[in-house]
Amino acid sequence: AQSVTQLGSHVSVSEGALVLLRCNYSSSVPPYLFWYVQYPNQGLQLLLKYTTGATLVKGINGFEAEFKKSETSFHLTKPSAHMSDAAEYFCAVRAGGFKTIFGAGTRLFVKA
Amino acid sequence: DAGVTQSPTHLIKTRGQHVTLRCSPISGHKSVSWYQQVLGQGPQFIFQYYEKEERGRGNFPDRFSARQFPNYSSELNVNALLLGDSALYLCASSLAPYNEQFFGPGTRLTVL
Repeated sequence: AQSVTQLGSHVSVSEGALVLLRCNYSSSVPPYLFWYVQYPNQGLQLLLKYTTGATLVKGINGFEAEFKKSETSFHLTKPSAHMSDAAEYFCAVRAGGFKTIFGAGTRLFVKA
Repeated sequence: DAGVTQSPTHLIKTRGQHVTLRCSPISGHKSVSWYQQVLGQGPQFIFQYYEKEERGRGNFPDRFSARQFPNYSSELNVNALLLGDSALYLCASSLAPYNEQFFGPGTRLTVL
């Protein structure tokens, strides 16, 4: 069975600082991995995804994530946080089927 | 182009009642998935429909049912509502089951 663990339910950074949101997954087959962002009272927006090939994936709004099979991790980073990045971020895995499993989410706070 | 639309936006029901939530996918998308997002948690997969047939089902009781219409819109039905059914219900559409999912804004259901 697949599962996703997001380390830290809340992360706070200063504007301009590095953003690092951690995600570890469990899957018995090669996974597809995703990061979504959710703003208040809105649905989820796909930031980036890993399917196959290059392990460093670039997404929208300056975010990127690296698939590390040996560490079963897919951490999300952004070099410089912006106030507009404050939101809830979800890591998700899909492996061997239609079902997408989401982590519990990490709320990112950006301080001025 | 219009994105995924869901109706109603908000809904208040009492225990034991029945509710129907509606979703219109992006034009051309033939697959619709439903997710339940309880406050403070990540979305949980309920159903996926493709070409009007159920292709996947999550770990939800039989009180939850869904269908997809010839125009690919979908309804999620929940019978005998419980307090624990209070959540944001998200609909996602995709061209086909394994393609990128696009999420709607959700329907906020409150059960009193």
